[in-house]
Amino acid sequence: GAVVSQHPSWVICKSGTSVKIECRSLDFQATTMFWYRQFPKQSLMLMATSNEGSKATYEQGVEKDKFLINHASLTLSTLTVTSAHPEDSSFYICSAREQGVPGTQYFGPGTRLLVL
Amino acid sequence: GENVEQHPSTLSVQEGDSAVIKCTYSDSASNYFPWYKQELGKRPQLIIDIRSNVGEKKDQRIAVTLNKTAKHFSLHITETQPEDSAVYFCAASSNFGNEKLTFGTGTRLTIIP
Repeated sequence: GAVVSQHPSWVICKSGTSVKIECRSLDFQATTMFWYRQFPKQSLMLMATSNEGSKATYEQGVEKDKFLINHASLTLSTLTVTSAHPEDSSFYICSAREQGVPGTQYFGPGTRLLVL
Repeated sequence: GENVEQHPSTLSVQEGDSAVIKCTYSDSASNYFPWYKQELGKRPQLIIDIRSNVGEKKDQRIAVTLNKTAKHFSLHITETQPEDSAVYFCAASSNFGNEKLTFGTGTRLTIIP
């Protein structure tokens, strides 16, 4: 099956620093990638949709200047949490949809972010 | 936008018995309904999905049914085993736009040995 990797798997940082998370589709091309945030014992909340070569589409309530998304190639999307604060601590998961295959999304292993 | 409701939030089932999780959706344009299993600290794993052109799909012990008229779909797990214990999420999306998934709130399934 389609494999999505995510790096790093976990990160601890000081408040005010920026953190970059990478999401890669390893064996398929993904024109669209999605970024989710999941708090403990809660569902996945979509933050933004990342399209290769164009600006990301952010969900209501998600600050685009705080969560910078770049989708520079068909296999890589990055999420940068700028000036991170403790309330940004969460589990960030990306998913990728295979080009030409409607609907199905494959998830990365997630990145656990802890902001001190 | 789409709204997906999922019930129950927790479910305990004796090993060997069946488990049923139900979801409803609001957007009649939705036509793709996947189910994901998520173990603690892990990624969601797609276990089965159904598209709106069929009413039922089965894969070994797992089955999904879809009622487009009533806008609800259900996950059925038969002959449950301890390794089925996890959180299960339903989701819905349409072919339009970016096909983003809207997730249900999740069901924590516990299989009692």
